[in-house]
Amino acid sequence: EDQVTQSPEALRLQEGESSSLNCSYTVSGLRGLFWYRQDPGKGPEFLFTLYSAGEEKEKERLKATLTKKESFLHITAPKPEDSATYLCAALDNYGQNFVFGPGTRLSVLP
Amino acid sequence: DSGVTQTPKHLITATGQRVTLRCSPRSGDLSVYWYQQSLDQGLQFLIQYYNGEERAKGNILERFSAQQFPDLHSELNLSSLELGDSALYFCASSGQGFSNQPQHFGDGTRLSIL
Repeated sequence: EDQVTQSPEALRLQEGESSSLNCSYTVSGLRGLFWYRQDPGKGPEFLFTLYSAGEEKEKERLKATLTKKESFLHITAPKPEDSATYLCAALDNYGQNFVFGPGTRLSVLP
Repeated sequence: DSGVTQTPKHLITATGQRVTLRCSPRSGDLSVYWYQQSLDQGLQFLIQYYNGEERAKGNILERFSAQQFPDLHSELNLSSLELGDSALYFCASSGQGFSNQPQHFGDGTRLSIL
């Protein structure tokens, strides 16, 4: 069964304190690994898509990386506005099953 | 603003009732997806339509159904509602089917069953 897990469940950081979020996936082949950000009361907002192991993508203070079994979202020198729930999702190789992880709630304190 | 519009934003109804949720995709997007998000189950894929035809099915109950119309807007119908159906229902759209293109989400409809 396709499955996506994320850790930690919640993370509190001081402003400027860098850290990483983990996404582990088990799918029938991987067509794409997606990262989203979700603010309270809003729909998920697309951040990145990664397609193959070794790939990296960056956007402002965020960098996503991918291995054969997991993906990491690195947050460098976070700011309070980075506080949100970060979701990852895996799309299987048949393009039929899109499975979200439970998310990591990130709080960045000023 | 993702460009995906969902109505209504909030819906309060009683057990046993039927409701319809509406979604207008981003301009040019052919695929529409429906998701349910609850506190205990996270974001669950329900169903996908591509250019009017059902493309993929996830954990959608038999009491739920959806359709995509010629103008590409979509409706999710929920019937014989139960307390456990209370959740946020999201619609997303993308240019094609479950391809590598990212999905863009609306802000959801919050459904409360009393």
